[in-house]
Amino acid sequence: DVKVTQSSRYLVKRTGEKVFLECVQDMDHENMFWYRQDPGLGLRLIYFSYDVKMKEKGDIPEGYSVSREKKERFSLILESASTNQTSMYLCASSIDEKLFFGSGTQLSVL
Amino acid sequence: GQQLNQSPQSMFIQEGEDVSMNCTSSSIFNTWLWYKQEPGEGPVLLIALYKAGELTSNGRLTAQFGITRKDSFLNISASIPSDVGIYFCAGQKGGGTSYGKLTFGQGTILTVHP
Repeated sequence: DVKVTQSSRYLVKRTGEKVFLECVQDMDHENMFWYRQDPGLGLRLIYFSYDVKMKEKGDIPEGYSVSREKKERFSLILESASTNQTSMYLCASSIDEKLFFGSGTQLSVL
Repeated sequence: GQQLNQSPQSMFIQEGEDVSMNCTSSSIFNTWLWYKQEPGEGPVLLIALYKAGELTSNGRLTAQFGITRKDSFLNISASIPSDVGIYFCAGQKGGGTSYGKLTFGQGTILTVHP
């Protein structure tokens, strides 16, 4: 089975802090994604990567950056956390169009 | 970015009832997918649809890719308590570099009373 592991289940940070969300997949997938989930809005794509050191903006990249130094690891970075970035963050890897998600990180920015 | 319009937003049903939910869009998608998210977990793929008019089943679940390629529906027959969760539709516009770049609906929260 594909396993996508997100390093933290819950995080609480203060406004202005730099935040790192880490994600690791064990199936050698080339494609990795970061989505954000908010009630009533579904999931929205923040950033994605099709290869090591490659990244592309999704629909809502503002306030975020990413890093992919190794194929299995994809990190989401909040350079200066704000309260409107309080949300559930979901990492995924994919074969073709089929996404495999991690369990999510619930981030609260106070 | 565009979102898909998914309805209903929530459903409260009795065990054994059938469930229908649907998703519509103003633009065409080449692939439709349905995901289920259980509490504390990430979404899990239920069904993928690739051709207009396609009807696909997975156990008690049946999904269809609309003829216009702008809509899809999901039916669950004879619901059971473990069907509880949030169901998401998702669409993908193309292949290749579009793989995994999904547009999601808002989700349907399903509650099943025993």
